[in-house]
Amino acid sequence: DQQVKQNSPSLSVQEGRISILNCDYTNSMFDYFLWYKKYPAEGPTFLISISSIKDKNEDGRFTVFLNKSAKHLSLHIVPSQPGDSAVYFCAASSDSNYQLIWGAGTKLIIKP
Amino acid sequence: GAVVSQHPSWVICKSGTSVKIECRSLDFQATTMFWYRQFPKQSLMLMATSNEGSKATYEQGVEKDKFLINHASLTLSTLTVTSAHPEDSSFYICSAPARGRAALYEQYFGPGTRLTVT
Repeated sequence: DQQVKQNSPSLSVQEGRISILNCDYTNSMFDYFLWYKKYPAEGPTFLISISSIKDKNEDGRFTVFLNKSAKHLSLHIVPSQPGDSAVYFCAASSDSNYQLIWGAGTKLIIKP
Repeated sequence: GAVVSQHPSWVICKSGTSVKIECRSLDFQATTMFWYRQFPKQSLMLMATSNEGSKATYEQGVEKDKFLINHASLTLSTLTVTSAHPEDSSFYICSAPARGRAALYEQYFGPGTRLTVT
């Protein structure tokens, strides 16, 4: 049973345009959501997070939106840059022991 | 930000041998560390939670006798793949929680270890 789903395995976006990565979850107990970026043969790096008490969090070019009623969150990257090409993982947590439940990842390709 | 290192970054071993992977928190203490495994084109799979001074907690389906975890200090956790077989070939990543921009829930990941069993 996948509690965190990223239904798009890949996404291709033109440089300079907006990239929108989506994530759905099923567990209503999740109270913290995170996005990680991962390059091949490297560990994931933290990108941005959002608490369930908020519906938006912004950090530079990255904005995460949370729709609790729809159990959906999205990561917006604008403008997209070639260095943004990577696999993006959505993760969720529901307790204080820092365990993360991961989505399958979306490979973002930024075209020049 | 906090730094987590892993050693080795890649290892090739023969079937039947054991391999030890180290995960270190370099500038912070971690009473808890997590070990993940990633298969090609798949998500990160949590294998176990490593607890300093106590036994690790393994996820369902992960053989504790095959993947031995030791968390002997606040900065070091080790994962030993015993009697490795080709199906154990994978990318192993560790992480540790630390204070960061996201405070309570932010985790820092090691660079990963590529294990190839021949």
